Formats: sequence, C-alpha cells, structure tokens
Amino acid sequence: KAGVTQTPRYLIKTRGQQVTLSCSPISGHRSVSWYQQTPGQGLQFLFEYFSETQRNKGNFPGRFSGRQFSNSRSEMNVSTLELGDSALYLCASSGEGASGEKLFFGSGTQLSVL
Amino acid sequence: QKEVEQDPGPLSVPEGAIVSLNCTYSNSAFQYFMWYRQYSRKGPELLMYTYSSGNKEDGRFTAQVDKSSKYISLFIRDSQPSDSATYLCAMSEDWGAQKLVFGQGTRLTINP
Repeated sequence: KAGVTQTPRYLIKTRGQQVTLSCSPISGHRSVSWYQQTPGQGLQFLFEYFSETQRNKGNFPGRFSGRQFSNSRSEMNVSTLELGDSALYLCASSGEGASGEKLFFGSGTQLSVL
Repeated sequence: QKEVEQDPGPLSVPEGAIVSLNCTYSNSAFQYFMWYRQYSRKGPELLMYTYSSGNKEDGRFTAQVDKSSKYISLFIRDSQPSDSATYLCAMSEDWGAQKLVFGQGTRLTINP
C-alpha cells in the first residue's frame, strides 16, 4: 500500500506570492490533516479534513486554507507569503476503526520564502 | 510557556546504552500520549501510543506516563545507530484525534 504522498517535495517562492501544496492520503483513509514544522515552533497543527469537511482548525491566520476532494486528496493554500512561512509542511492521514489513532505522515513539502 | 515541553538536546550516547527521553505538559485534559520518530528529510512515524497513566512496552521501547506529574518518558534499551533520529512526544485529548500537540523534539545520536 502506498504511503502518504506530498507534492512538490521542494518549493521556492518570494514574499507576496501564493502557493498550493498537494497531499494524497493512503488509499482508504478519509481523514487528512496538515502540520507546519519549523525549527523554532516545532510541529504545529494547521487543520483537519474528513469527507471534504474541515473538522478542526489550528491557530493560524486566514492566509492558510485548505480543502479536501471527494477522493480524499487534499490541498492547502497559503496566500500572500511571508518570510516566516518558510517551513516543512506535513500532511498526515488516518483510517477508521481499530487503528484509527495512528497518523501516517508524508515526507512533507519544504517551502522556502525569499 | 508551551503546552508541551521537551528538551531539544542534542543527545549523544554510545551504542548499547539505555536512552531516556522525556516531556512535560500543562494541559490536564490530555489523555492520549504518543512518541514519534523522525528521520532527516522524512515525516514522523508513530512508535508508541498510550492511554492515561502506566507503562507500555514494545520490543526495545518502553513508554511511561505519569498523569499526576504531567510527565511522560520513552526508554530505548540496547540503543542502535539506526535509532539516531529526532524523537517527538505528542498528546491529544481524544482518541484518534488528528489535532496533536507536539513537543519540540529531541535529536538523538547513537555512536557506534
């Protein structure tokens, strides 16, 4: 079974631009969440989607948004990029039932804002 | 003050040593406690998942939770160079929650 796939792997943008990151969860998983990882703040929860509905949201500004499609694939968008948005963005998915507590993370998208 | 505190290290030990990693937390509503391992340029992978206070053992890994002290630990016995990674503690209020609160992570190096 393929793992969580994130594209692109690396991205370089300039301040003020916007960016869209993509995540394909493990086949059969309907829950997808996004995290931001920086050296200073560590891993911070951005938002969670289940069956195309946002179920939970972290404490990030409205410039950060996401969506989930009917096939469970998810995208997150950051508008008006700031230097501080440089980070590793991680997507995770989970299934349901007995192993539903286990989050499977992708390798992330490394975003650099210049 | 962060909700979850974890010493970022780095921690360097010889092969075969027992490693002890720890986190403290302030939110008494946390009931589920996890340890993740993250290799360089990879996403975190779940090592241990525990509920409430007590111990859980899985091979060379033992997780301990002391809710009265708001303190969790991960012990690695017979440490191997392949255990070299960043170890992150994480916590949630609900089972199966995708919204986890992570510690800063401890970078561990096992020297052959």
